Amino acid sequence: SQTIHQWPATLVQPVGSPLSLECTVEGTSNPNLYWYRQAAGRGLQLLFYSVGIGQISSEVPQNLSASRPQDRQFILSSKKLLLSDSGFYLCAWSSSGQLGNTIYFGEGSWLTVV
Amino acid sequence: RKEVEQDPGPFNVPEGATVAFNCTYSNSASQSFFWYRQDCRKEPKLLMSVYSSGNEDGRFTAQLNRASQYISLLIRDSKLSDSATYLCAVNHQAGTALIFGKGTTLSVSS
Repeated sequence: SQTIHQWPATLVQPVGSPLSLECTVEGTSNPNLYWYRQAAGRGLQLLFYSVGIGQISSEVPQNLSASRPQDRQFILSSKKLLLSDSGFYLCAWSSSGQLGNTIYFGEGSWLTVV
Repeated sequence: RKEVEQDPGPFNVPEGATVAFNCTYSNSASQSFFWYRQDCRKEPKLLMSVYSSGNEDGRFTAQLNRASQYISLLIRDSKLSDSATYLCAVNHQAGTALIFGKGTTLSVSS
């Protein structure tokens, strides 16, 4: 069966510090991978998605970036965090093929920027 | 008009009640529709897909109305454990990633 792991689960970072969130998927090949963010009082916002190694699509311009160095690894980064980057970050995957398929989420990472 | 809209609620219902949520979407080309359930401070989990002909899974029934561009979720015989936020998800256009509504909060009380 497929599993998705995401870490760290919780982190508190000062403004201006860097960020790295990592996500790996097991039990499937060439998945579509996603990063979503859920800020307080707001819905799930799609940040990035990837259909293959090195292929990243950005949905919202901001100070975050994503990379996919391996087939089942997806990384979310920032060089300098802003207060507005606080939120619940969720990595997700769907089976290869059309992006509109069912997606499955990791357990999420709570980021508080102080 | 926002891409995917939901009534945020909260819907406060007693155990055993029937409750229905709607979710409207803006793009008539949308092809995939889902309901997810999210517990407090947890990740969303798939509740059910929504098929054109409507589908049922136990106490849960999902329907799609393409003409009016909305999907619905009906929960019968509500349980305390149904208390959660229910998110609808739609792919804006064929071959695009899912877009989520902000969710509808349900609170079932004894």
